[in-house]
Order: sequence, then structure tokens, then C-alpha cells
Amino acid sequence: DSGVTQTPKHLITATGQRVTLRCSPRSGDLSVYWYQQSLDQGLQFLIQYYNGEERAKGNILERFSAQQFPDLHSELNLSSLELGDSALYFCASSVAGQVGGNEQFFGPGTRLTVL
Amino acid sequence: GQQLNQSPQSMFIQEGEDVSMNCTSSSIFNTWLWYKQDPGEGPVLLIALYKAGELTSNGRLTAQFGITRKDSFLNISASIPSDVGIYFCAGQLTGANSKLTFGKGITLSVRP
Repeated sequence: DSGVTQTPKHLITATGQRVTLRCSPRSGDLSVYWYQQSLDQGLQFLIQYYNGEERAKGNILERFSAQQFPDLHSELNLSSLELGDSALYFCASSVAGQVGGNEQFFGPGTRLTVL
Repeated sequence: GQQLNQSPQSMFIQEGEDVSMNCTSSSIFNTWLWYKQDPGEGPVLLIALYKAGELTSNGRLTAQFGITRKDSFLNISASIPSDVGIYFCAGQLTGANSKLTFGKGITLSVRP
């Protein structure tokens, strides 16, 4: 158990809908990262938050957004869902993120299926 | 987006054998990490390397950070059935953006 929790474990929804994925980082970790894992693209970085502020953006679509709350949990919002958004979404956390690389610990993921 | 190169896609070994996996990049990283992923689970950190040339062990696992900072390898010795899974390498830069860039992974099968 990495200490990172994600809910829900599975999510099935229809095209055009909007969903919210939730992540709680390890105790003491200030940085949260979101990754998408699909068969064709592998693990791709989406976005990073550090202590409530957006720190870096990767290959995140404009239909997707995220935030990190004062208690450091994070939510990833996916809207106007398309079939191609079906994937595993992982959250990872680390202690730092502002300066210096730190080991990232991954949650169990949310499997999103868009029908 | 950029990805690291891991090949082959799959490896099949006999229980008790050693296996080596390589990971290469066209650009430099300051940190190399190796993760293992089981079906339906999140990646689990195996080893992290922070210095060019560094050799680090974790039980039967040994990993090295390449001198050029563009590659890393992972060695598993005396494989056992629970070593089955997907092994990912990841590179990381130091600085404000500490995202991980991943390879596509190598699926390891161990025959008893």
C-alpha cells in the first residue's frame, strides 16, 4: 500500500458526460500528479499541483481540469467525455515538487470506461 | 509526448534465471526510477537513482544510472514467479516540473 488513495476504483459513463476523480496523497506529501495510462500512449503526465497551486501541465486536454484543495486532496474533472478518454487514471504524490525531483508514489488508479 | 525506449515489449524467462532490462532516452535526466505494475494496480516504486554512474540494489534488484544520463538498466537476479508484471523505467528532471516521463514498459513472464 503506497498510502495514496483514489476513488472511485471503476467508473462507467456515457459520451458527453462529466466525471470527477478524487485523490488523497500520502500523509505529508505536498505534491500531487495526475497521469493517464492507455494501451496506445502508455503512462502520460497530465498535470501537477504543489500545495494547492498548479505547478506544471503536460498532455492535458482543455476538457480536463484539476484542483488541489487546502487539505491537499486533489480532484481531476473530465468533461464532454469521448470514447478515447477511456483509460486508467493515476494519481501520484511526493514530498517536494517545487525544487528538486522526488520519488513519486502511485495510487491504485481509477479505471474510466466511456460507452 | 516524449517517451523513453524500452525493448523488447515482452520477455520470457525460466524461474531462477537472471534478467536485464534497458531503458534509453534521447535527452538527459537527473533521476531515473524503475516501477513495477501488476494488472489492475498502480505502479510500485522499485528503485530510484540520483547520480550518474550510481549502482543501487534492492534485494534481488540492481539498477544503474548511466554515465551519459541518457540510460539506465535494471537487473533481476534469481527470478521467482512473483516477479511477473510490467516493468517501467521513468526519467525525471530536477526543477519546478518534476513530472515523470515513462517508457512503454516490458512485460516479464516467469516460467516455473
